[in-house]
Amino acid sequence: GQNIDQPTEMTATEGAIVQINCTYQTSGFNGLFWYQQHAGEAPTFLSYNVLDGLEEKGRFSSFLSRSKGYSYLLLKELQMKDSASYLCAVRGSSASKIIFGSGTRLSIRP
Amino acid sequence: GAVVSQHPSRVICKSGTSVKIECRSLDFQATTMFWYRQFPKKSLMLMATSNEGSKATYEQGVEKDKFLINHASLTLSTLTVTSAHPEDSSFYICSASIIAGGPGNEQFFGPGTRLTVL
Repeated sequence: GQNIDQPTEMTATEGAIVQINCTYQTSGFNGLFWYQQHAGEAPTFLSYNVLDGLEEKGRFSSFLSRSKGYSYLLLKELQMKDSASYLCAVRGSSASKIIFGSGTRLSIRP
Repeated sequence: GAVVSQHPSRVICKSGTSVKIECRSLDFQATTMFWYRQFPKKSLMLMATSNEGSKATYEQGVEKDKFLINHASLTLSTLTVTSAHPEDSSFYICSASIIAGGPGNEQFFGPGTRLTVL
């Protein structure tokens, strides 16, 4: 079976840093994705990790440890517009299919 | 980046009617398209994988006779919700993939279709 876990909700302060964790158990592994989704809109791609380590892209960074089945998304210098749901998704043994976690709703307070 | 469109963006229909949703890749050819549904405050649930010219592969628990998928060309896939009922009300999102199994962000999402069944 496949299981992707992440916290349901998080709250952080504008200008601060927040880390959203994701653990996964899948049959096979061919990459982990993070997406951002604002209410009523489609997901937008943030990051992709297939090898262990940290990938940095501006204010957002994503980390992967394949041996631990663990990833995190790090958001720095938080802005109010970062209030959204953040979806962890894994491509397992299937060549193309991506399975999504339940998502983490992040609220940013002034 | 690649653009995926969906039509309609919103649809309201009566219970028992059928609704067709189109997903188009506008500036690339999609070898594979995916259909997801999303309930309020929930994550995306993969319904089926659609490959051009072949039958769709449905996820466990998704009724293939209820949700008909046609991938007639490399730029168009359609999802038809047959005999819709209020419990089918949801946000339906498609995504398109250029190269199956490739790295990075090659799966591009459409803007979604909000279906409300009265």
